[in-house]
Amino acid sequence: QSALTQPASVSGSPGQSITISCTGTSSDVGGYNFVSWYQQHPGKAPKLKIYDVSIRPSGVSNRFSGSKSGNTASLTISGLQAEDEAYYYCTSYTSTSTPVVFGGGTKLTVL
Amino acid sequence: QVQLQESGPGLVKPSETLSLTCAVSGYSITSGYFWGWVRQPPGKGLEWIASIYQSGSTYYNPSLKSRVTISVDTSKNQFALRLSSVTAADTAVYHCARQLAYCGGDCSLGAFDIWGQGTMVIVSS
Repeated sequence: QSALTQPASVSGSPGQSITISCTGTSSDVGGYNFVSWYQQHPGKAPKLKIYDVSIRPSGVSNRFSGSKSGNTASLTISGLQAEDEAYYYCTSYTSTSTPVVFGGGTKLTVL
Repeated sequence: QVQLQESGPGLVKPSETLSLTCAVSGYSITSGYFWGWVRQPPGKGLEWIASIYQSGSTYYNPSLKSRVTISVDTSKNQFALRLSSVTAADTAVYHCARQLAYCGGDCSLGAFDIWGQGTMVIVSS
């Protein structure tokens, strides 16, 4: 069981917006602004899309945005495109004995 | 362009030690950042294994700590992972990655911004 909770799947139509949640505790998501999001296509390495809750690395589309409220972080993808279909993982720093924890992953399907 | 490339045997026998190396190009491993390992069992999610700084400061996943050693070789600009007493549960794609960190007296480990393509390791006799 992952330390961070994500929905197993989300879906949306091209052009729509979707949001993926990542729920933790005050020891991780709620306590620190070190939440990051990764996109992973099958057979490929994960790609960083958002770090420090809401910062986009250079080269990442502004269709990707991140936010946090309390113990829940969110990744929003606007203007869905077919190429966005992938797995998405969140991760956070934690003050527990395991300083890095991942969410279980969310499969995004573009209908 | 920063690139990371994992290397090591693709097949390891149960009870033996898995050894992987991550070669870094386009960036000096001594210029900052942490360097880490993440694995992904077939059909499953990502699991952080360990991270290391150029100075040798290390952080380990407690669930693996008794079996894991992470090390850095600044002369070769690479870092390595050793996982002992492997079982079938250690079968996974192993990725190396560069990691952001925020250090005061201790360090808060952040995002993995650059990843290697990953190497599949199967544990089987």
